Formats: sequence, structure tokens, C-alpha cells
Amino acid sequence: DGGITQSPKYLFRKEGQNVTLSCEQNLNHDAMYWYRQDPGQGLRLIYYSQIVNDFQKGDIAEGYSVSREKKESFPLTVTSAQKNPTAFYLCASSISGFEQFFGPGTRLTVL
Amino acid sequence: QQQVKQSPQSLIVQKGGISIINCAYENTAFDYFPWYQQFPGKGPALLIAIRPDVSEKKEGRFTISFNKSAKQFSLHIMDSQPGDSATYFCAASIGWNAGNMLTFGGGTRLMVKP
Repeated sequence: DGGITQSPKYLFRKEGQNVTLSCEQNLNHDAMYWYRQDPGQGLRLIYYSQIVNDFQKGDIAEGYSVSREKKESFPLTVTSAQKNPTAFYLCASSISGFEQFFGPGTRLTVL
Repeated sequence: QQQVKQSPQSLIVQKGGISIINCAYENTAFDYFPWYQQFPGKGPALLIAIRPDVSEKKEGRFTISFNKSAKQFSLHIMDSQPGDSATYFCAASIGWNAGNMLTFGGGTRLMVKP
């Protein structure tokens, strides 16, 4: 089945730790995106990548880092510099057009 | 200004009624306006989308109305059903050369009462 997978579904982080969220797609999409969603709010763009080995900052990139070594994969690292990381993280992908398809999300909680 | 304002924040509709959600945008460079539906704990799913060269698009019970001069667009859900209870997000983007980044509204939590 084609789609976007995110893992893990739930992630707990201690203060001061870096954690990495996985996003994989087998849709052969060029572009991939990371969004953050806080309770009762819309989605905000963290990073996006339109091509392998290239990525751009979104609106709230501080405290996050990404890599795009393969077309299928776009992992997001939440660093200790992100002071309020508890949120629902969503990965999306699109072909070189407009429609973005979203994964099921990872809920990150800081202990 | 990359901003999309959505209203209302929450909406309660009786089964069979019409649900209406409104969005307004600032940036006239936006050229793609999708609506997403999200159930609790799930990722958003594309519901319907419109380009600014048309004023209305209908897919089943869902209709987007678009007013370019007013910089507003709205989602109408006809014959609303309890299964439509979800959070709805409008969004807007500029296009591939500008990164195809979606700017989202704040969301509307819809509850359809049986």
C-alpha cells in the first residue's frame, strides 16, 4: 500500500534530550514537510524539502533539525534547544503540485 | 502577510443541517485553497480544494465557495451527518516555486448532533 508512515506513534522525552521522529513515504513524492500542531490550533510549518539533500526552514524551525538523504525519508530531530516541544507532529508529502498527503502523526510529550 | 483566518472556532449543527465554515486570507499571491478534515489523533485528510479561477466547486455534500475580490472562501457541508464531526482546516499556498507551503487557518471543531 502506498502512503506515509510516521514512527513512533507516541514518544516521551526527558528534558535535555534530543529525539528523532521518523517519516517515510513510498508515494515517489518529491516534496516532504514537517508540521507542528498544538491543541486547538492549526498546523505550523517547521521544515520542508523539495529535493534530496536540500531543505528550507518554515515558520518555526528554531530548536529543530532535519535531513533529506533519500527521497523516501525526511526525519525530524527535536533538539534540547526547543523549549516547548510537547505537541503533535505531522509529516506530509506532495508531488510537484499542490496536494499534500499527511501521515498519522507522532505525539511527543516532554516528561 | 502569510495569514489565514478561520471562523467559527466551533460549530454545532443538527443532523441534516448545513455546516458553514469561513476563511479569509491576506496574501493575494495564494493560488490554491484546500480544506482538510481531521479526526482526533489522526493526520488531516484532504477534503476538497479550489483554485482562484473558479467561484465554486462541489464534491458530493461538500462545496467550496470562493470570492476572490473579498479574499474569502468557505466550506459548506450539506445534509450534515454525525460522521462529519471532526476538525476542519482551511489552508492556502502559493505554488511550487515558492515552496508549496500550506498556511493553515486555526481550525473549526464541528459537532453534528443526531
